[in-house]
Amino acid sequence: SQTIHQWPATLVQPVGSPLSLECTVEGTSNPNLYWYRQAAGRGLQLLFYSVGIGQISSEVPQNLSASRPQDRQFILSSKKLLLSDSGFYLCAWSAITYKSSYNEQFFGPGTRLTVL
Amino acid sequence: QKEVEQDPGPLSVPEGAIVSLNCTYSNSAFQYFMWYRQYSRKGPELLMYTYSSGNKEDGRFTAQVDKSSKYISLFIRDSQPSDSATYLCAMSVWDSNYQLIWGAGTKLIIKP
Repeated sequence: SQTIHQWPATLVQPVGSPLSLECTVEGTSNPNLYWYRQAAGRGLQLLFYSVGIGQISSEVPQNLSASRPQDRQFILSSKKLLLSDSGFYLCAWSAITYKSSYNEQFFGPGTRLTVL
Repeated sequence: QKEVEQDPGPLSVPEGAIVSLNCTYSNSAFQYFMWYRQYSRKGPELLMYTYSSGNKEDGRFTAQVDKSSKYISLFIRDSQPSDSATYLCAMSVWDSNYQLIWGAGTKLIIKP
């Protein structure tokens, strides 16, 4: 069976510090990978998605970046955190499917980031 | 106007009641409609999905899509305290393998 891991679970960082959040998937190959941010009462905001190693698409301009150094590893980074970067960060994966299929996404446990 | 509108609640009902959760949308190209359940401080998990219009039933849960009104619903029968969670709707178009458009989520509280 497939599992998705995220760490750390919680993180408190000062403004201007760097960030690195890691996500790994087990039990599947060549998944689509996603980074979301969830703010209270605002649903999920897609930040990045990746369809393969080194292939990253950004949905929202920001001071965050993402990388996919290995097939089942997805990293979210920042060089200098802002107060507005606080939130609940979720990693998700989905199988690569043909256009005639729905796109079920499976989520990790999330990282709660507080920037002070 | 947001592509998907969902009342954030909270919606509080007594145990055993029938719950109705709803989303409206503006993009007529949406074909896949999903409901995710999210417990506090956890990632969302897929509860049900439907393709195009109609109803789909799974145990105590029924998902309904009305494409003519651009309106989807999730009904929960015989609600239990364990159903207390945030329910998010999500949608995608036919040819999208990546993009889910999400509602804000409705917080549901089932009182024992």
